[in-house]
Amino acid sequence: EAQVTQNPRYLITVTGKKLTVTCSQNMNHEYMSWYRQDPGLGLRQIYYSMNVEVTDKGDVPEGYKVSRKEKRNFPLILESPSPNQTSLYFCATAGGVGSTEAFFGQGTRLTVV
Amino acid sequence: AQSVTQLDSQVPVFEEAPVELRCNYSSSVSVYLFWYVQYPNQGLQLLLKYLSGSTLVESINGFEAEFNKSQTSFHLRKPSVHISDTAEYFCAVTRTSGTYKYIFGTGTRLKVLA
Repeated sequence: EAQVTQNPRYLITVTGKKLTVTCSQNMNHEYMSWYRQDPGLGLRQIYYSMNVEVTDKGDVPEGYKVSRKEKRNFPLILESPSPNQTSLYFCATAGGVGSTEAFFGQGTRLTVV
Repeated sequence: AQSVTQLDSQVPVFEEAPVELRCNYSSSVSVYLFWYVQYPNQGLQLLLKYLSGSTLVESINGFEAEFNKSQTSFHLRKPSVHISDTAEYFCAVTRTSGTYKYIFGTGTRLKVLA
């Protein structure tokens, strides 16, 4: 079954404690990206990757890092989380043969206190 | 650059009534258009998409959307809603050139009332 898997689904952490949210896909898609969803703001892109070792900033990259060392994985790293990074995060993939749409993970609800 | 506007943040409607969720977009290049649905505590799922050809596209659960190039709109409609349609709906666009950057609207929360 085609899947985008994010972990963890829920996370509560304290300000300044480094964390990583993992994303893995089994669809052999080249394109992967991270979004955050906030009420009234919709989804905003944080970072994206067009292929292995190729990453670039999206619209709201401040405070986040990513890496793409292998095609299937695209972790999101918060080096020093702050309360304004409390949000719902989604990983998405795209770029399958004959496919135009993005496929989303189940989401990670992050609370930074 | 592209942008997507969903003017209605919330739409309450009674069960079995028709509904229209509005989406307008702006783009200087050709785009593909999508509607995604998000049920509570879940990720986004593709509802339907317009790539080319017939301007009316349909989903398997009774939704339809019509691409109107002159009005730059892609409104979502359903003639008779069910309680199970309660969800948040997002309109999105991406360039046809294959950049895979998706621009989303702010979402419309559909609340179906019994």
